[in-house]
Amino acid sequence: QSALTQPASVSGSPGQSITISCTGTNSDVGSYNLVSWYQQHPGKAPQLMIYEVNKRPSGISNRFSGSKSGNTASLTISGLQAEDEADYYCCSYAGSSTHVLFGGGTKLTVL
Amino acid sequence: QLQLQESGPGLVRPSETLSLTCTVSGGFISSRDFYWGWIRQPPEKGLDWIGSIYHTGSTTYNPSLKSRVTMSVDTSKNQFSLRLSSVTAADMAVYYCARLGSGSNVPWWSLDVWGKGTTVTVSS
Repeated sequence: QSALTQPASVSGSPGQSITISCTGTNSDVGSYNLVSWYQQHPGKAPQLMIYEVNKRPSGISNRFSGSKSGNTASLTISGLQAEDEADYYCCSYAGSSTHVLFGGGTKLTVL
Repeated sequence: QLQLQESGPGLVRPSETLSLTCTVSGGFISSRDFYWGWIRQPPEKGLDWIGSIYHTGSTTYNPSLKSRVTMSVDTSKNQFSLRLSSVTAADMAVYYCARLGSGSNVPWWSLDVWGKGTTVTVSS
C-alpha cells in the first residue's frame, strides 16, 4: 500500500488560515471516517491533533479542524500562530490487514 | 496519566536483529480498547508504520516489513516488544511506540499516546 499523499510544504502568515490536504484511495481515506492528524515539532514525538476526521482531543485548540470529501481529507488551521510551525502528518485506517497508513508529511512554515 | 517509554540498544550491527521494548505505565496494556503500535522515522523523513499488537498477542504488520518483523507482548510486565531482523542502514531511525485506539469510546484508530522515541543506528 502506498503512503497517503500530502503537499511537501505550505506556508502562511500569522492570523491567516491554511489547509493541508491528504489524498488516499477507496481502500483507506475513502472507505472510513477514520482519518487522524498529527503535529510534530523538531526533535519531539508526534501529537494527535484530530481524530475520526473532525474530532479534537481534549486540550487541542479549536483553531484546528478537519474534514473529508471522497478520498481526500483536509486539516485547516485558522488564526495561524508562530507555534503552529511544525510538520503535520495525516493517517488513515486502512483495514484489518494493515491497520493504519501515514501520509508523507507537510512542513508548515509561519512567515 | 498513561506514559510509554521505549528502551533498547541504540546501536545495531548490519544483518543483526534490532530489539526494542515499550513499557506502559499509568495504565494497563491488557485494555480491550487499544492496540499497541510501533512507528519509525528515518532521519529527515516521514513517519513509517511498522505494525501493532493486541494484548492477546494478535499482530498486524506493514506488508513492506512483514518478513522481518516480530512483535510480542508481556502483560505481566505491561510491556510490548519489537524485533526487526536483518537490519541495514535503511532501518536507521527514531523508533516510537504508541497506543492505537480500537474501541468505540476512545479515539478510534488513532495514535493518542506516544513514547518519546529512541534512536537506532545501524553500523559495524
